[in-house]
Amino acid sequence: GIQVEQSPPDLILQEGANSTLRCNFSDSVNNLQWFHQNPWGQLINLFYIPSGTKQNGRLSATTVATERYSLLYISSSQTTDSGVYFCAVERDGNNRLAFGKGNQVVVIP
Amino acid sequence: DAGVTQSPTHLIKTRGQHVTLRCSPISGHKSVSWYQQVLGQGPQFIFQYYEKEERGRGNFPDRFSARQFPNYSSELNVNALLLGDSALYLCASSWRRSTDTQYFGPGTRLTVL
Repeated sequence: GIQVEQSPPDLILQEGANSTLRCNFSDSVNNLQWFHQNPWGQLINLFYIPSGTKQNGRLSATTVATERYSLLYISSSQTTDSGVYFCAVERDGNNRLAFGKGNQVVVIP
Repeated sequence: DAGVTQSPTHLIKTRGQHVTLRCSPISGHKSVSWYQQVLGQGPQFIFQYYEKEERGRGNFPDRFSARQFPNYSSELNVNALLLGDSALYLCASSWRRSTDTQYFGPGTRLTVL
């Protein structure tokens, strides 16, 4: 199956700092989503971004499908940004998401 | 509109028992998928149901089964529980069967003792 690798696995940020999370995938994809998992386990949709660039407030994402990677940018980080960020892809048009292992982000005041 | 809902939120079972987890999709969504997330890992696909039929199955043993009801809600059943079945079980819904944005529920945390 398709492989999804996320880096860095762990990141500690000072509040107000910027960061970039990376997702590499091993094959062409139909769908790519970024999620934020809160401490209670809920996966919150951040972006549906199989290609191109999107922005939502302090977060933005870019997917370069031809080079098989996606980036999630967090600007002016806040303590509420702490949690695990997951990249998930789907390649066969079957709506099955394959997840990476996540980026654990801790934002300290 | 309400999001995806799941019940119960937490569950403790012993080895060998059976468990049923429930999911209600977002109103209008016809596709429901189930995922298992063990500690420290990303979620893994278990099943997809669309229009009450199984449309996909991940690499899970036959102890895992599911069904979808006419109102598009779904149940995940696990028989003969093993310690390794302890995990967060997530339900996701989407409007279409094929490539589509998926929305996740809050999950059911299952502990097997």
